[in-house]
Amino acid sequence: DAKTTQPNSMESNEEEPVHLPCNHSTISGTDYIHWYRQLPSQGPEYVIHGLTSNVNNRMASLAIAEDRKSSTLILHRATLRDAAVYYCILRYTGTASKLTFGTGTRLQVTL
Amino acid sequence: SQTIHQWPATLVQPVGSPLSLECTVEGTSNPNLYWYRQAAGRGLQLLFYSVGIGQISSEVPQNLSASRPQDRQFILSSKKLLLSDSGFYLCACRGGHSYGYTFGSGTRLTVV
Repeated sequence: DAKTTQPNSMESNEEEPVHLPCNHSTISGTDYIHWYRQLPSQGPEYVIHGLTSNVNNRMASLAIAEDRKSSTLILHRATLRDAAVYYCILRYTGTASKLTFGTGTRLQVTL
Repeated sequence: SQTIHQWPATLVQPVGSPLSLECTVEGTSNPNLYWYRQAAGRGLQLLFYSVGIGQISSEVPQNLSASRPQDRQFILSSKKLLLSDSGFYLCACRGGHSYGYTFGSGTRLTVV
């Protein structure tokens, strides 16, 4: 499985935008870029995914580099409830595809 | 939308005792099902996945086994628990036209 690289931790002030980076230089053409987040003592929660084009949903935006070797998850206005570990994962499109989690980025949000 | 029911939420078991964790899925048919474990302070490790009834793939050698007796039921078992089996166990599914995975609320297992 292609691997991703994320910073171990980031901090943000509440109400400010947050840009969470992810490098995936060995991504293949059939790999989707998925983002999940895990709040303390909970299971991971799907945030967003994309293939080539930038994506927006009610939770976040995903900006994908033109060469697809990196991507950025954008939280437009961080709140205290956004404090979590954010995982960037590559998933190939096969039937038995699996999510392989790395160590993720721990986001701290302060007042 | 898909919903995963996972129980119990917490479990304390002695070393050498058996284990059975059950996961059931609603809102989809013929889902792919997954068992993950998260040790304290660590990332999620995929243990087993299943693409259909009776079809189980193991990702890592371990003291655990999985079974899928029904389309929307996934069971994680052990005959004799080890201390190292302690952790947060999560069931996940991906079904239908969903690209995202849905996770259950997890079972926190402590082996003493």
